[in-house]
Amino acid sequence: EAEVAQSPRYKITEKSQAVAFWCDPISGHATLYWYRQILGQGPELLVQFQDESVVDDSQLPKDRFSAERLKGVDSTLKIQPAELGDSAMYLCASSLSEANAQYFGPGTRLTVL
Amino acid sequence: AQSVTQLDSQVPVFEEAPVELRCNYSSSVSVYLFWYVQYPNQGLQLLLKYLSGSTLVKGINGFEAEFNKSQTSFHLRKPSVHISDTAEYFCAVSLQPILTGGGNKLTFGTGTQLKVEL
Repeated sequence: EAEVAQSPRYKITEKSQAVAFWCDPISGHATLYWYRQILGQGPELLVQFQDESVVDDSQLPKDRFSAERLKGVDSTLKIQPAELGDSAMYLCASSLSEANAQYFGPGTRLTVL
Repeated sequence: AQSVTQLDSQVPVFEEAPVELRCNYSSSVSVYLFWYVQYPNQGLQLLLKYLSGSTLVKGINGFEAEFNKSQTSFHLRKPSVHISDTAEYFCAVSLQPILTGGGNKLTFGTGTQLKVEL
């Protein structure tokens, strides 16, 4: 069964450092999402791509976060500089189209010290 | 804007007993509804979805949910739970993309921790 791949699974970094997360969606899925899940809460959307174009990044803190999907396949989410409040699970999801269900990867657990 | 309320933060239940996890949503337009399950330190797994059609939706692992438009609810049920069902369950809603111009982000509830005991 096809799955969304994410790496790394765990990342520990110090405040003010740069971090990057990678996501490879299910093959053929045109829509890709990055969510952030703070402990004890539901995930919240950071950014949505349709192919290589950003559809929604209204909740992405653009002063420190950036996301790209250059060839419309895999994607990278970057944080620079990381802050203590960025500690969370970062989840990637993909779907065939905007009208289909979203399938999630295993996530990257970020701890900022 | 749409919102989701999961009324119970924790639900303890004995193995083989039935369970219902409650979910209510708020939206002024038509929505899609989903239930996801999350095991510790893992991503979310889709249990079931309601897009249109029959209001009773069957999903994986013996779960089902019923869409009730008049009560704006989408409660999740299982007639007999197993220890392996212990996990966090999230209800989520999205607007139909035709209404948003393409964006269909999921808005999640705060989750319900289901704890199955022997």
